[in-house]
Amino acid sequence: GAVVSQHPSRVICKSGTSVKIECRSLDFQATTMFWYRQFPKKSLMLMATSNEGSKATYEQGVEKDKFLINHASLTLSTLTVTSAHPEDSSFYICSAREIGETQYFGPGTRLLVL
Amino acid sequence: AQKITQTQPGMFVQEKEAVTLDCTYDTSDQSYGLFWYKQPSSGEMIFLIYQGSYDEQNATEGRYSLNFQKARKSANLVISASQLGDSAMYFCAMREGNTGGFKTIFGAGTRLFVKA
Repeated sequence: GAVVSQHPSRVICKSGTSVKIECRSLDFQATTMFWYRQFPKKSLMLMATSNEGSKATYEQGVEKDKFLINHASLTLSTLTVTSAHPEDSSFYICSAREIGETQYFGPGTRLLVL
Repeated sequence: AQKITQTQPGMFVQEKEAVTLDCTYDTSDQSYGLFWYKQPSSGEMIFLIYQGSYDEQNATEGRYSLNFQKARKSANLVISASQLGDSAMYFCAMREGNTGGFKTIFGAGTRLFVKA
């Protein structure tokens, strides 16, 4: 199956700093990438959908100025958590879709904000 | 309103037995897709099986089959011959919208425990 990578896998940062998470589709071109957030023992919550070269579509309740998404190419999307606070600590997962139905997920990034 | 409902927070099954994980959904779209994903403790999301709303046959992938009952809006996952490695969290998901702009939303998940 298709491979999606995420970097970093874990990050610890101080409150007030910004953190960038990269999502790459390694062996296919992703027309659409999705960013999810998952709290411990909870389901995945869709944060935003991004198509290459256009602005991301954010879900209701997700602050676009807080969670900046850039989908610069067909194989790379980045999520930047700006001025991170402890409540932003979570598991962030990206997924990518080529053409067709299946979304392939990255391994996730665990963010801990101290 | 809840779009994807998984009513079983946890399920136990004996090794080599079959198990059914329930999923019901709610949508007004005529075209939609249903997925099941497995999430082991490592956190990665593993795609298991897909069913399109227009597919007349139930999807099957190895030991996984999807019991699709469109009128009841249910898409239960059946795992046959359970293995210890099947212990994980399982999520039912639904793709809504068309190819111009769709999104996939997830149910709350069911944790499966396979007993030796």
